[in-house]
Amino acid sequence: NAGVMQNPRHLVRRRGQEARLRCSPMKGHSHVYWYRQLPEEGLKFMVYLQKENIIDESGMPKERFSAEFPKEGPSILRIQQVVRGDSAAYFCASSLKKGQSTDTQYFGPGTRLTVL
Amino acid sequence: LAKTTQPISMDSYEGQEVNITCSHNNIATNDYITWYQQFPSQGPRFIIQGYKTKVTNEVASLFIPADRKSSTLSLPRVSLSDTAVYYCLVELGTASKLTFGTGTRLQVTL
Repeated sequence: NAGVMQNPRHLVRRRGQEARLRCSPMKGHSHVYWYRQLPEEGLKFMVYLQKENIIDESGMPKERFSAEFPKEGPSILRIQQVVRGDSAAYFCASSLKKGQSTDTQYFGPGTRLTVL
Repeated sequence: LAKTTQPISMDSYEGQEVNITCSHNNIATNDYITWYQQFPSQGPRFIIQGYKTKVTNEVASLFIPADRKSSTLSLPRVSLSDTAVYYCLVELGTASKLTFGTGTRLQVTL
């Protein structure tokens, strides 16, 4: 049973370009969470999605950032017109079903975005 | 502003028991408390999860008092490979906002 997969593992972009980060949840998981971790800092919640729905995007910047989790395919975190401050590790987690006692989030290896 | 706080760092010798506490004054009523371990350049790895009292698995124990405003991760007999950053994860407040603790950097030495 493969774990949460993220790609690419490393992504380099120049200022103003777009970054697309992909997350494939664990098999059977329909809930996906995205977190951002700045260098030497903790993890900050960005967005929580269920298939085809954004449930909570309270942690995501209002501009330039968007996320989706289509019916088919991976979840995508998209950052438009990247700036140097977007350089960070972006982690995706998935869970089986929110609100249940065993609703544990399992994390992927992360995508390290570097903006030049 | 509701926060989830942990000690910044802890040091321990190999073989000792380590207890790391997370304070979450505004935890959501129905939320569970989850602890993760993170090594450099890796994603957080699940350690243990609980709602109240005590939970134990093969790697750790989790102690949660009746008021649930804090929780303590207990690592028995740590080894060098337990050197990592440890985070608690809870949902805070009536809006159930997912919040990671500030993280505790554990350094284990011989």
